Amino acid sequence: NAGVTQTPKFQVLKTGQSMTLQCAQDMNHEYMSWYRQDPGMGLRLIHYSVGAGITDQGEVPNGYNVSRSTTEDFPLRLLSAAPSQTSVYFCASSQASGANVLTFGAGSRLTVL
Amino acid sequence: RKEVEQDPGPFNVPEGATVAFNCTYSNSASQSFFWYRQDCRKEPKLLMSVYSSGNEDGRFTAQLNRASQYISLLIRDSKLSDSATYLCVVNTGNQFYFGTGTSLTVIP
Repeated sequence: NAGVTQTPKFQVLKTGQSMTLQCAQDMNHEYMSWYRQDPGMGLRLIHYSVGAGITDQGEVPNGYNVSRSTTEDFPLRLLSAAPSQTSVYFCASSQASGANVLTFGAGSRLTVL
Repeated sequence: RKEVEQDPGPFNVPEGATVAFNCTYSNSASQSFFWYRQDCRKEPKLLMSVYSSGNEDGRFTAQLNRASQYISLLIRDSKLSDSATYLCVVNTGNQFYFGTGTSLTVIP
């Protein structure tokens, strides 16, 4: 099993450009989520989904969109990149929320110039 | 107020030492608690879940005090390979909240 796969691993954007970070899991997990990790801030939840067709906002959703058309995929879209979105992004999934453990992807390092 | 607060350290300890990390959480309705380990430039990985009765996994012991909203992790007989950042994680409803992490370096 591949687990949680994130692409790309690295990306450099110019301010105003848009892009999509891809996340796919092959564990039939219902719950998927996106986090950003910044120095001194810890991981902060951007958006999450408890199942196909259902998404909700986390702590820092502004500037990001998500969709969940299948159980396997949960892409994160940056509509108009800003330097403040320079960060490391992690996708994570679990069987369900609650007591279930999160499995993380390897991360995507994004720089916005 | 942050949902989860951790002492960021850094903790620099000699091999064989015992070290303890603490974490507090603000929401009394929180349901599940975890410690994750994160190596430099890598993704977080589960170290252990934390149960109300306390639990142990080899050299690692986790404790939960719901009344004080406090979680702890004890590492005994530290190894060089324990050097990492340890993240306290709390689940409330559909959201997981992460502490900023505590950095540990085990020195030969």
